[in-house]
Amino acid sequence: ETGVTQTPRHLVMGMTNKKSLKCEQHLGHNAMYWYKQSAKKPLELMFVYSLEERVENNSVPSRFSPECPNSSHLFLHLHTLQPEDSALYLCASSQVAEDTEAFFGQGTRLTVV
Amino acid sequence: SQQGEEDPQALSIQEGENATMNCSYKTSINNLQWYRQNSGRGLVHLILIRSNEREKHSGRLRVTLDTSKKSSSLLITASRAADTASYFCATDGAGFQKLVFGTGTRLLVSP
Repeated sequence: ETGVTQTPRHLVMGMTNKKSLKCEQHLGHNAMYWYKQSAKKPLELMFVYSLEERVENNSVPSRFSPECPNSSHLFLHLHTLQPEDSALYLCASSQVAEDTEAFFGQGTRLTVV
Repeated sequence: SQQGEEDPQALSIQEGENATMNCSYKTSINNLQWYRQNSGRGLVHLILIRSNEREKHSGRLRVTLDTSKKSSSLLITASRAADTASYFCATDGAGFQKLVFGTGTRLLVSP
């Protein structure tokens, strides 16, 4: 275990559904991240929260909505997704400092039908 | 794009052999990191090398960095079947909270 827990591990949702992904870290970190990993594509950084404030939003469609209520929890709210949004969604955390590593959760495998 | 690229995309070797993976990137960096990912799971940090370092070792791992060529290599010595995974380099050229990952090398180590 890396100290970063994601739930659920697998999710199948219809295009009209609303669901949320949850991430929790027990490492005392103060930065959290959402990455998207699609088949045969590099990891895409979606959102960065540093000290509970969003500092990065990489032109992610509004059907993805992040929420960071405190430094230990991160959510990704999903609504009206498209089949091309099917991917592995990875949460990570780190300290707000240079030369630090990121700790990843096991990911949520999302399938949009 | 600031993304790095790993080379080769896939590598198949026998147990006991050495595996070498290369990473190229495009921007100036403070550090470069290597991560490992088992199939369909999260990434695990392996090693970090700072821009003022040229070589770093950790167990069976050896990482080199050439900032003039914007490239790095990861060497796994005496490979084991358990080393089978995808390996990614990541750079902080976009900011230390914005790790940018490469495309990855899929390593298969056969018993």
